[in-house]
Amino acid sequence: AQSVTQLGSHVSVSEGALVLLRCNYSSSVPPYLFWYVQYPNQGLQLLLKYTSAATLVKGINGFEAEFKKSETSFHLTKPSAHMSDAAEYFCAVKNLRGGSNYKLTFGKGTLLTVNP
Amino acid sequence: EAEVAQSPRYKITEKSQAVAFWCDPISGHATLYWYRQILGQGPELLVQFQDESVVDDSQLPKDRFSAERLKGVDSTLKIQPAELGDSAMYLCASTLSRDPGYGYTFGSGTRLTVV
Repeated sequence: AQSVTQLGSHVSVSEGALVLLRCNYSSSVPPYLFWYVQYPNQGLQLLLKYTSAATLVKGINGFEAEFKKSETSFHLTKPSAHMSDAAEYFCAVKNLRGGSNYKLTFGKGTLLTVNP
Repeated sequence: EAEVAQSPRYKITEKSQAVAFWCDPISGHATLYWYRQILGQGPELLVQFQDESVVDDSQLPKDRFSAERLKGVDSTLKIQPAELGDSAMYLCASTLSRDPGYGYTFGSGTRLTVV
């Protein structure tokens, strides 16, 4: 079964510093990968997705992620953190072997704290 | 911008009582999902609908949970009887297409507390 592992349940950065949130996937076939953001007591919002086109994917709010097959990784980055980036971030993989169901499976999440 | 509507936003219920959540997906979205998110964890799929049909309910605790989408539009998730361990955020999501490249649009969720 396909899965994702998010390294670090909590990441703390200073405002203006680089944001790096790590995600590794496990899959026997090239997967589709997603990053979502969740603010407190809200639903999840799609940041960006990789669907086997360009390996460097740009998303909303200045975030981007790079698909690296050799490292089975899909890390999320942002050059300069803003206070408004403080939220929980989830990496997710779509099961392409699920027939037409294509279930989205989430990692456990990484809580990003931004310090002034 | 179109949204997935969920109600109620918050629900407190006593153990052994029945509780129900409602979801109205984005118009035209044929695929609807219910996820459960326990505090501090990622969402886990409970049930997936394609139109009015269930296509995946393998993780739904069917002894106490039920879900329906009678006309292929809005959906209801029910728990009866509720247990303390059911306390979680219940998220509804919808997507326009079953193409795997499509992301899901999530509602704001229902926060359930069982006391």
